[in-house]
Amino acid sequence: DTEVTQTPKHLVMGMTNKKSLKCEQHMGHRAMYWYKQKAKKPPELMFVYSYEKLSINESVPSRFSPECPNSSLLNLHLHALQPEDSALYLCASSPQDRGYEQYFGPGTRLTVT
Amino acid sequence: KNEVEQSPQNLTAQEGEFITINCSYSVGISALHWLQQHPGGGIVSLFMLSSGKKKHGRLIATINIQEKHSSLHITASHPRDSAVYICAVRFHQFYFGTGTSLTVIP
Repeated sequence: DTEVTQTPKHLVMGMTNKKSLKCEQHMGHRAMYWYKQKAKKPPELMFVYSYEKLSINESVPSRFSPECPNSSLLNLHLHALQPEDSALYLCASSPQDRGYEQYFGPGTRLTVT
Repeated sequence: KNEVEQSPQNLTAQEGEFITINCSYSVGISALHWLQQHPGGGIVSLFMLSSGKKKHGRLIATINIQEKHSSLHITASHPRDSAVYICAVRFHQFYFGTGTSLTVIP
């Protein structure tokens, strides 16, 4: 299994909603990543987890809250988002944090209304 | 100034043409990645390089560490190669190029 899966594929939420994005991999990778990508822009790194511990937080607002409950699963909890947070949210994993290729999921397209 | 610069930004080619996309970076790196993103969002990692050259099918990637430059070549291009190609480097953090949008016309 060389796949990173993400659910849901699409999400529409209001500014007062609480929702979560889910990412899963079963390749035994110990590093997992969240990226945000706006239209026609490259991905921006949000968070890096290494061995289930948060190792990088790229100054992301607290309305985004990551969680890594185990080595296969990565969540991104969303609360009180703004319309400008609408974007494609990509998850990726790699065997370890540095020096390895990353495997990307298909992304969740989020629209905040 | 971006730490990673790609050129060209947009590229249109006829099917069968040889294509080159360039990436220059200004930071010391541990590795350089070439990524492919098709319309709809999915990203595929094509290559990870720290030196020399790698080949996979019709794709070739090279890197010159001293000159801080990498190229991605596509031989015998095909319409299915139409995508955005992104160069990304990693030192302490990730730096992404702005991408090259490639369209291959039949």
